[in-house]
Amino acid sequence: GNSVTQMEGPVTLSEEAFLTINCTYTATGYPSLFWYVQYPGEGLQLLLKATKADDKGSNKGFEATYRKETTSFHLEKGSVQVSDSAVYFCALTETSGSRLTFGEGTQLTVNP
Amino acid sequence: EAGVTQFPSHSVIEKGQTVTLRCDPISGHDNLYWYRRVMGKEIKFLLHFVKESKQDESGMPNNRFLAERTGGTYSTLKVQPAELEDSGVYFCASSQDWTGQAFFGQGTRLTVV
Repeated sequence: GNSVTQMEGPVTLSEEAFLTINCTYTATGYPSLFWYVQYPGEGLQLLLKATKADDKGSNKGFEATYRKETTSFHLEKGSVQVSDSAVYFCALTETSGSRLTFGEGTQLTVNP
Repeated sequence: EAGVTQFPSHSVIEKGQTVTLRCDPISGHDNLYWYRRVMGKEIKFLLHFVKESKQDESGMPNNRFLAERTGGTYSTLKVQPAELEDSGVYFCASSQDWTGQAFFGQGTRLTVV
């Protein structure tokens, strides 16, 4: 079956530090890959996505590249802000509109 | 446009009691999903409605869980009787069509004591 593995958290960084959250996946087909973010007290929001190999998703300064050869979709940001503090979830779906398979989530705290 | 709304935001019940969670999807969204996050672990799929029909309920943990979607609008998820291991955050999501982005509600935090 499908699975998503995220780096263990929590992650604590200082403002303006570089962020990487690792995500690897196992899928039988050709999945679409996503990063969702949950800010405190809010629901999950789609942060970025990539639908095929070598695609790069980007939003709000975050980027992730779909690497089929390493089955990875690592999330990066060059300079984090306090407002980026949230839980980040990597996810995949094999068929558009079908169920999402999530990783365990990574709690990010950014200190001023 | 209103987003996906879930009620209640928090619920604390005793083991053996019944709880009903409600989800109001974005108007016009035919696809509705329920997910659950237990004990800080991964978010797991429970089931998927297309309009009022259950498209996929393979993630429902056992027969203590009953989901309905009346008239293809709002959905309810009933847990009866609740057990300690049912504690977690229950998320609802909706999407307009088969290829559409899923929009999530803020979740219902259920605590069974």
